[in-house]
Amino acid sequence: EAGVTQFPSHSVIEKGQTVTLRCDPISGHDNLYWYRRVMGKEIKFLLHFVKESKQDESGMPNNRFLAERTGGTYSTLKVQPAELEDSGVYFCASSPRSGTGELFFGEGSRLTVL
Amino acid sequence: GQSLEQPSEVTAVEGAIVQINCTYQTSGFYGLSWYQQHDGGAPTFLSYNGLDGLEETGRFSSFLSRSDSYGYLLLQELQMKDSASYFCAVRDGSYIPTFGRGTSLIVHP
Repeated sequence: EAGVTQFPSHSVIEKGQTVTLRCDPISGHDNLYWYRRVMGKEIKFLLHFVKESKQDESGMPNNRFLAERTGGTYSTLKVQPAELEDSGVYFCASSPRSGTGELFFGEGSRLTVL
Repeated sequence: GQSLEQPSEVTAVEGAIVQINCTYQTSGFYGLSWYQQHDGGAPTFLSYNGLDGLEETGRFSSFLSRSDSYGYLLLQELQMKDSASYFCAVRDGSYIPTFGRGTSLIVHP
């Protein structure tokens, strides 16, 4: 069974540009999460989808961030326009509807904004 | 909201036992999880404690005391490959885990 995959693994852009990160969760997982880790800090929650619906987006830093989950399958996270403080590793995770809440993470997309 | 505290770094020698502590503040506590992350890799689930006590999985054990808002991860017979970051994560009823800052474990030969 394929795990959570994220693309790109690394993106370097200039301030003011746009970047779109993609996440393919494990097939059949209703829950999809986006987290971000800035170096040395916690893995910080951004938002949570249940199928195609945004269940909680309280962690999204501002309206420069837009997440979508088309048809309840893959998800994209767009940053437009990017700022220096957006640099970090963006993790996607998925989990099935029920269980202990174990999250299955992707390897992350490292974003560097210059 | 939730907050978690864990040491930033722990060092130990191969073959030793190490304990990584985690204290938390949260409302509506449901459980405490531990994740391991090697450099550049995906965080991977290690253990979950929903009730007080010790959960053992091979060389790794995790403990929870809900009355003390405290848990720890115990790693025995340390191996070089155990060098990684370890995150505790607390879950409330929303099914959204909140993670700590992580503890970097360095295992020396």
